[in-house]
Amino acid sequence: EAQVTQNPRYLITVTGKKLTVTCSQNMNHEYMSWYRQDPGLGLRQIYYSMNVEVTDKGDVPEGYKVSRKEKRNFPLILESPSPNQTSLYFCASSPWTSGKETQYFGPGTRLLVL
Amino acid sequence: DQQVKQNSPSLSVQEGRISILNCDYTNSMFDYFLWYKKYPAEGPTFLISISSIKDKNEDGRFTVFLNKSAKHLSLHIVPSQPGDSAVYFCAANGWINTGTASKLTFGTGTRLQVTL
Repeated sequence: EAQVTQNPRYLITVTGKKLTVTCSQNMNHEYMSWYRQDPGLGLRQIYYSMNVEVTDKGDVPEGYKVSRKEKRNFPLILESPSPNQTSLYFCASSPWTSGKETQYFGPGTRLLVL
Repeated sequence: DQQVKQNSPSLSVQEGRISILNCDYTNSMFDYFLWYKKYPAEGPTFLISISSIKDKNEDGRFTVFLNKSAKHLSLHIVPSQPGDSAVYFCAANGWINTGTASKLTFGTGTRLQVTL
């Protein structure tokens, strides 16, 4: 089944404790992206990757890191989480041939930073 | 600076009636628009899209209209069904980094409730 998976789905942590949210897709997509969803703000892009070893900042990259060592995986790293990073996070992927392809989203990771 | 706006956070419609969800954008460089639907505890899923060279696209019960001069698009659902109850996000595609990459800019979402 074609899908984007994220782990964990729910996470409670404390300020400053490094964490990683994994994202994996099995569709051989070139483009992957991370978003956060907050009430009243919709979905905002954190980072994106156009291919292996190619990543760039989205609209709200502060406090986050990413890496793209393999085509299928695109982990999101919070080196020192803070309460304002409490949010619902989505990973997405798309084939990326013209920039107009549908993005396929993972089920989301709900993060609470105390 | 919210470039894509959905001014109605919520909408309630009776089953069988038409649902109209609206979206406004400010960036005239956007060239492709999409609607995504999101159920609780799931990721958004693609619903329908429209290119900036068109003013209408239809797919079954769903029709998207684009008014470029007004920088406005709308999603019509006819007839509305209880299973349509979800949050709907509009999104606009635009090129960044001198044309080497494009990105989707999402609106804030509208929660549609279809009542019996």
